[in-house]
Amino acid sequence: GNSVTQMEGPVTLSEEAFLTINCTYTATGYPSLFWYVQYPGEGLQLLLKATKADDKGSNKGFEATYRKETTSFHLEKGSVQVSDSAVYFCALSNAGGTSYGKLTFGQGTILTVHP
Amino acid sequence: EAGVVQSPRYKIIEKKQPVAFWCNPISGHNTLYWYRQNLGQGPELLIRYENEEAVDDSQLPKDRFSAERLKGVDSTLKIQPAELGDSAVYLCASSLGRTSGSSQETQYFGPGTRLLVL
Repeated sequence: GNSVTQMEGPVTLSEEAFLTINCTYTATGYPSLFWYVQYPGEGLQLLLKATKADDKGSNKGFEATYRKETTSFHLEKGSVQVSDSAVYFCALSNAGGTSYGKLTFGQGTILTVHP
Repeated sequence: EAGVVQSPRYKIIEKKQPVAFWCNPISGHNTLYWYRQNLGQGPELLIRYENEEAVDDSQLPKDRFSAERLKGVDSTLKIQPAELGDSAVYLCASSLGRTSGSSQETQYFGPGTRLLVL
């Protein structure tokens, strides 16, 4: 079956530091990959996505590249801000059959950014 | 445009009591999902609706959980009776549906209902 593994947190950084959150996956076929973010007290929001190998998703200064050869989708940001403090979830979705639309999530990584 | 609406936001009940959660998806979204998120984990799908039809309920514990989506819009998820292990956040999400032509759609999540069973 499908599975997603994220680096364990929590991650604590100073403002303007470089961020990497690792994500690897196991899936059949050609899944689409997502990063969702959950700010305190709010629902999950889509941060970025990539639907095929070598695609790069980007949004709000965050980037992630779909690497099929390493089955990875690592999240990066060059300079984090205090407002980026949140929980980040890596997820995948397969298009086929009854699994259509089903998101499989990693366990989440808590990011805290200090001024 | 209004997002996915869920109520209540918080619910505290004693074990063996019933509880129900309500979700109103984004207008025009045909697909509706219920997820359960345990503390420190990612959400897990419970059930997916295409309009009023439940097309994937393989992860729904059917002995105590039930769901309905009358008229293909609002949905209700019920637990009866609740157990201590049901304490979690219940998330509702919606998307346009297969008719959108996209094979991988964005799911929009509501704020969730945080359930505590004592």
